[in-house]
Amino acid sequence: KAGVTQTPRYLIKTRGQQVTLSCSPISGHRSVSWYQQTPGQGLQFLFEYFSETQRNKGNFPGRFSGRQFSNSRSEMNVSTLELGDSALYLCASSFGVGGALSNEQFFGPGTRLTVL
Amino acid sequence: AQKITQTQPGMFVQEKEAVTLDCTYDTSDPSYGLFWYKQPSSGEMIFLIYQGSYDQQNATEGRYSLNFQKARKSANLVISASQLGDSAMYFCAMREPGNQFYFGTGTSLTVIP
Repeated sequence: KAGVTQTPRYLIKTRGQQVTLSCSPISGHRSVSWYQQTPGQGLQFLFEYFSETQRNKGNFPGRFSGRQFSNSRSEMNVSTLELGDSALYLCASSFGVGGALSNEQFFGPGTRLTVL
Repeated sequence: AQKITQTQPGMFVQEKEAVTLDCTYDTSDPSYGLFWYKQPSSGEMIFLIYQGSYDQQNATEGRYSLNFQKARKSANLVISASQLGDSAMYFCAMREPGNQFYFGTGTSLTVIP
């Protein structure tokens, strides 16, 4: 079974631009979560989607948005980029929001975004 | 309040020794799941071990075991017989029903030859 894939793997943007990151979950997984990881901050939760609906949302400004498609693939968008948005963005998939608590999340390799 | 607290930013352990990474959590829900992940320098997050709040026994997976003390709300990861390849960041996480995963800030483990 193919793992979680994220594209692109690396991205360099300038302040004020916008960016779209893509995530394809493991086949059969319907839940996709996004995290921002910066040094010393651990993983900051952005949002979680299940069956095209946003189920949970973290404490990020409205510049961060996401969506999920009918095939469970997900995209996240960051508009009006700021220097502080430079981070590793991780996508994770799991079987379902309402499924067993033991359903672990499987992570993709991440997209490293650098904002200049 | 932080849902997951990892108080050890960095730890060192001698190769072949055991090491304990601390994790405490905060929840009022009687049902929850606890997870540990490993993140090597390459960046990918690797699932290590799971403990359910109703599990009677501590979880074990090979050299990994979870020291679950429910009354203290702690879920420490024990790595036995450390190997050089164990050098990585380790994250503790919790999930409540219907909620997202909450991650701690991580512990950087360095195994010394």
